[in-house]
Amino acid sequence: SQQGEEDPQALSIQEGENATMNCSYKTSINNLQWYRQNSGRGLVHLILIRSNEREKHSGRLRVTLDTSKKSSSLLITASRAADTASYFCAAGGSNYKLTFGKGTLLTVNP
Amino acid sequence: GAGVSQSPSNKVTEKGKDVELRCDPISGHTALYWYRQSLGQGLEFLIYFQGNSAPDKSGLPSDRFSAERTGGSVSTLTIQRTQQEDSAVYLCASSPQQIETQYFGPGTRLLVL
Repeated sequence: SQQGEEDPQALSIQEGENATMNCSYKTSINNLQWYRQNSGRGLVHLILIRSNEREKHSGRLRVTLDTSKKSSSLLITASRAADTASYFCAAGGSNYKLTFGKGTLLTVNP
Repeated sequence: GAGVSQSPSNKVTEKGKDVELRCDPISGHTALYWYRQSLGQGLEFLIYFQGNSAPDKSGLPSDRFSAERTGGSVSTLTIQRTQQEDSAVYLCASSPQQIETQYFGPGTRLLVL
């Protein structure tokens, strides 16, 4: 069964608002990663948080990880139209394989 | 430097034909991954190569699917006797040894008629 499951499946917000996406996973992880995909093509790595970390920041991105609840969240602050994309979480095990969720489609309206 | 490249970008084939999809990883990356993404879905793991170790083929959906990696660099994913359900975007990724982050190519969009 799939590890990462994102929530919501789709999110539509206005430019300048914050966007929050959640991810749940099922088994133990080594790390939890977030990727972005534009137009159904290649994915771009955004941020990685390790299992012993609780929060991490990168620019306008903030990721939290709660291993007791097996969940993570991605917050994008002050969203821009260019942030419109699909966002995927990926659960990483010790063998460097990633298990991806189905993604959240974020639409940021100008 | 150059990123991961994949060819062709798009492939249309007839049911029953064989197809070969190519991936050129980032130079020096020892790990190479193949994924399949059906419309509106997440990524489904297919196969993983790491250096000279035996590949992890646990994600290949049937014996019609195979992949090889020559000289620890370029990889080819072959689908024999294609079926309509094989239509998807096939994504390749690579990463340096012992690094968790994966770098993705633009994918090959396969359509089986």
